[in-house]
Amino acid sequence: KAGVTQTPRYLIKTRGQQVTLSCSPISGHRSVSWYQQTPGQGLQFLFEYFSETQRNKGNFPGRFSGRQFSNSRSEMNVSTLELGDSALYLCASSLTQTDGVKNIQYFGAGTRLSVL
Amino acid sequence: SQKIEQNSEALNIQEGKTATLTCNYTNYSPAYLQWYRQDPGRGPVFLLLIRENEKEKRKERLKVTFDTTLKQSLFHITASQPADSATYLCALDPGSLTYKYIFGTGTRLKVLA
Repeated sequence: KAGVTQTPRYLIKTRGQQVTLSCSPISGHRSVSWYQQTPGQGLQFLFEYFSETQRNKGNFPGRFSGRQFSNSRSEMNVSTLELGDSALYLCASSLTQTDGVKNIQYFGAGTRLSVL
Repeated sequence: SQKIEQNSEALNIQEGKTATLTCNYTNYSPAYLQWYRQDPGRGPVFLLLIRENEKEKRKERLKVTFDTTLKQSLFHITASQPADSATYLCALDPGSLTYKYIFGTGTRLKVLA
């Protein structure tokens, strides 16, 4: 079974631009979460989608947005990029949460975004 | 405020020894706690999950404990090998139906041959 695929792997943008990152979850996984990872802050939760609906959102400004398609693939968008947005963006997919049991998250390799 | 702390940013140990990593949290009452391993340039990989009513969980050379009174989890790697060198992250869920995990900043473990 193929793992979580994130594209592109590397991206260089300049301040003020916008960027779209893509994530294809493991087949059968309907939950997709996005995280930002930086050396100082660690892994920070951005948002989680299930069946095209955002179920939770982290403490990030509105410049960060996402969506999920009917095939469970997800995209996240960052508008008006700032230098501080330089980070590794990770996507994780998991099986549907059942009986209140949190499920294992399977991570992609991430997209390394550099904002100049 | 709510936070998760992992004992040290980096830990060096000699091959064959037991590595012990600590995860402390405040102002959470998690039902589950997970440990992940992350290698450079890769996403985290799940290792173990422990529930609040479990004191200990083992998997091969790995052992995790969970003390909800101390609000602490310990992660042990016995007979450590250089291949165990990586960053280890703990993660907890802040409550049911929140659909997210909170991650610690990680401990970078280096096993010296």
